[in-house]
Amino acid sequence: LAKTTQPISMDSYEGQEVNITCSHNNIATNDYITWYQQFPSQGPRFIIQGYKTKVTNEVASLFIPADRKSSTLSLPRVSLSDTAVYYCLVDPSAGGYNKLIFGAGTRLAVHP
Amino acid sequence: DAGVIQSPRHEVTEMGQEVTLRCKPISGHNSLFWYRQTMMRGLELLIYFNNNVPIDDSGMPEDRFSAKMPNASFSTLKIQPSEPRDSAVYFCASSLGLAAINEQFFGPGTRLTVL
Repeated sequence: LAKTTQPISMDSYEGQEVNITCSHNNIATNDYITWYQQFPSQGPRFIIQGYKTKVTNEVASLFIPADRKSSTLSLPRVSLSDTAVYYCLVDPSAGGYNKLIFGAGTRLAVHP
Repeated sequence: DAGVIQSPRHEVTEMGQEVTLRCKPISGHNSLFWYRQTMMRGLELLIYFNNNVPIDDSGMPEDRFSAKMPNASFSTLKIQPSEPRDSAVYFCASSLGLAAINEQFFGPGTRLTVL
């Protein structure tokens, strides 16, 4: 079961790019890397998912190096509303789904 | 679609009472998950269902907790008897299936306080 490690907290300012790196040294061949965002008093919300190289959507980009032992969530030009907790998860393939672990996440604070 | 619906949003009860949390998944989703979130332990997966069948309940803390999914549009999480340490936010989530590629959609949660 792949464990993830990410910074406990980060600070940024409006308009900056934020990169949150997650390490998952024991990632398995069939594992996907998924990021969720959670605002206070709300449930987590899916941001992005990838398997290798780079994935981009309207919210963020996900960079995954060739060895897949880490990944970086990139948030372009953050605003105050991006203040949230960001979770990096390694999703096992269907057979091992019962071990989905959210971890402590990274608490991002965006300042004016 | 209204998203995942949970009720009640807040529940305050006394120790020893029975508590029932309810969840309506997104229509068409085959998998349903119950999570618990506390400051100390973070977000924990309690149990999940696929096609209304419980697949794994190894995350359920003890026998006081039980969950059912009588049909595709309804699930309950019951705590009997409740204890102060059960105080937490309980989330329900649903997805199209169990495969990793399927994102989970979370409900707004039920904040439970056991006095």
